[in-house]
Amino acid sequence: DTAVSQTPKYLVTQMGNDKSIKCEQNLGHDTMYWYKQDSKKFLKIMFSYNNKELIINETVPNRFSPKSPDKAHLNLHINSLELGDSAVYFCASSGQNKVTADTEAFFGQGTRLTVV
Amino acid sequence: AQKVTQAQTEISVVEKEDVTLDCVYETRDTTYYLFWYKQPPSGELVFLIRRNSFDEQNEISGRYSWNFQKSTSSFNFTITASQVVDSAVYFCALSETNYGGATNKLIFGTGTLLAVQP
Repeated sequence: DTAVSQTPKYLVTQMGNDKSIKCEQNLGHDTMYWYKQDSKKFLKIMFSYNNKELIINETVPNRFSPKSPDKAHLNLHINSLELGDSAVYFCASSGQNKVTADTEAFFGQGTRLTVV
Repeated sequence: AQKVTQAQTEISVVEKEDVTLDCVYETRDTTYYLFWYKQPPSGELVFLIRRNSFDEQNEISGRYSWNFQKSTSSFNFTITASQVVDSAVYFCALSETNYGGATNKLIFGTGTLLAVQP
C-alpha cells in the first residue's frame, strides 16, 4: 500500500511547455504539500493545502498552480517551463496518527523534472 | 526564526564504525516536532523518526538511536555498526505548526551525506 504516490517519476520536457504532476494520498490526512529539492539537495516548501484550501504559498512564481480536487489529491501544474524549474518535486501529506495522535508526515517518491 | 542546522555536509566512515549525525534547531514554539528522513541514492525520502517536543526520551531502533536534548536544541542521530546500505543523505527537519494547526510545514536542514565504505 503506497501512502503517498505521485506521477510521473521522471519528466523531461522542453522550455516553454506546460506540464502537470499528480499526487494522491491514502492516509486520510487533511493537509498536503509540494516541496522542491534543488540541485544542491536543499528541500523547501512550495505550497500547503488543508482540506482543499490553500494555506501556504511560499513566493512561488504564478506559473506554478496547485490544484486540490479533494483532500486526498494535490496536483501541480507548471506553465511555460524554464530551465531553472529543473528539480525534484516532492508531494507530502501530514496529519494525526490515528493511534498515537502524533503529527506524522510522509513523502511521495519524488518527480525528477528536467527542462531542456 | 525557525531554523535547522546540519553542520556536517559530508561524513565518510568505514563499515562497522559508529557515526553520529548532528542536528541543531531553533524555534519559538513550545510545541513542535522533529523528524529525521533518509534519502538513499534512489531519491525517495524515507521517514525514520518523529519526536515531539515534550518527549525527551532517547529512542533506539535496531542500529539507529536518537538523542533529543532540549537544553541544547539538538536532535542527534547515531548509526551503530554502519553498513554500506546506510549510505545516503540524511535530513533533519522541524515541524512548524501554523494557522491553528491546519498545516505542519517542515523546515529542513541542508542534509548530511553519509558515505559508508566497505
